[in-house]
Amino acid sequence: AQSVTQLGSHVSVSEGALVLLRCNYSSSVPPYLFWYVQYPNQGLQLLLKYTTGATLVKGINGFEAEFKKSETSFHLTKPSAHMSDAAEYFCAVSYNYGQNFVFGPGTRLSVLP
Amino acid sequence: EAGVVQSPRYKIIEKKQPVAFWCNPISGHNTLYWYRQNLGQGPELLIRYENEEAVDDSQLPKDRFSAERLKGVDSTLKIQPAELGDSAVYLCASSASFGETQYFGPGTRLLVL
Repeated sequence: AQSVTQLGSHVSVSEGALVLLRCNYSSSVPPYLFWYVQYPNQGLQLLLKYTTGATLVKGINGFEAEFKKSETSFHLTKPSAHMSDAAEYFCAVSYNYGQNFVFGPGTRLSVLP
Repeated sequence: EAGVVQSPRYKIIEKKQPVAFWCNPISGHNTLYWYRQNLGQGPELLIRYENEEAVDDSQLPKDRFSAERLKGVDSTLKIQPAELGDSAVYLCASSASFGETQYFGPGTRLLVL
């Protein structure tokens, strides 16, 4: 069964520092990959997605992620953290675009002043 | 454009009581999803509708959960009777069609006492 792991249930960074949130999936078949953000008491919002083509994907709010097949990873990065980035971040995969998603457990990002 | 609307936002009930959640998807979206999100975890799909047809309900606990999407627009998810373990956030999402980006509502936070 497909699965998604997100290393670190809680990540803290200082404002202006690099944000790196890790996501690994388990499959020999390249999946479709997604990052969602969830602000407190709100639904999930799509940050970015990888389906085919360029492996470096740019999303909203300055986030980007790179699909690395050899590492089965899709880590999310942002060069400079902002206070407003504090939220829960979920990585999700599907193995045929649009098949039901499998979400990772999430990583809570805290941004320290 | 209005997003996905869910009500109520919060619900507290005693175990063995029934409860219902309502979802109004984005206008024109044919595909509707219900997810359950337990504390500290990612969302898990309960059921997916294509218009009024439930096309994937394999993860729906059918002994106590039921759902409907009359006329292929609004949807209702019901639990009867509720158990302590049903305490979670119930998320509704919709997409224009299967495979398109999913847009999430704010969720209904259920607490079963």
